[in-house]
Amino acid sequence: AQTVTQSQPEMSVQEAETVTLSCTYDTSESNYYLFWYKQPPSRQMILVIRQEAYKQQNATENRFSVNFQKAAKSFSLKISDSQLGDTAMYFCAFLLGGSQGNLIFGKGTKLSVKP
Amino acid sequence: SQTIHQWPATLVQPVGSPLSLECTVEGTSNPNLYWYRQAAGRGLQLLFYSVGIGQISSEVPQNLSASRPQDRQFILSSKKLLLSDSGFYLCAWGRQGVDTEAFFGQGTRLTVV
Repeated sequence: AQTVTQSQPEMSVQEAETVTLSCTYDTSESNYYLFWYKQPPSRQMILVIRQEAYKQQNATENRFSVNFQKAAKSFSLKISDSQLGDTAMYFCAFLLGGSQGNLIFGKGTKLSVKP
Repeated sequence: SQTIHQWPATLVQPVGSPLSLECTVEGTSNPNLYWYRQAAGRGLQLLFYSVGIGQISSEVPQNLSASRPQDRQFILSSKKLLLSDSGFYLCAWGRQGVDTEAFFGQGTRLTVV
């Protein structure tokens, strides 16, 4: 069975600085996808970034980028130039290829951006 | 564009009462549909998913059930709520046959008293 672990329950960062959130996963499969979701106080889950396991290049979306280390089964999220609006819960999620979209989530990291 | 609607946003129900949460998707056809529950301090747990009308798969045994009476409608139900059913419930949809992310509704905060 696949598992996702986020070892940092809470983190804080100063506005405009950079922060990295950690995620590790466990799988014996080769076809899978990884995601980072953001859940602000409004509680709606918003997709931040997506990474296909077969792609070696790390995904980037504006200020958000990932460090995907396939051999180490690590998938960290880097947020550059942190903004107050980045304050949220961040969830790492795993999707096994061909699994009908059944995402497996980590427990989340609560990120606070301080002015 | 696709949108997902989930209601109500908040609900307070007594123990033993029935439950019905509804979710509808617009702008797409034949989506995969999902119900997740988020307990405090935990990630999201998949409860049910559906790949078509009348097709429901349950991921965990529990006091809840799901139904899909129409292509873009997904309902989460219970005949008798338990205190342990309290939590945040999220509906989501995904594209059929494609390995892709799920798109979430705004969620329902259920408190069983």
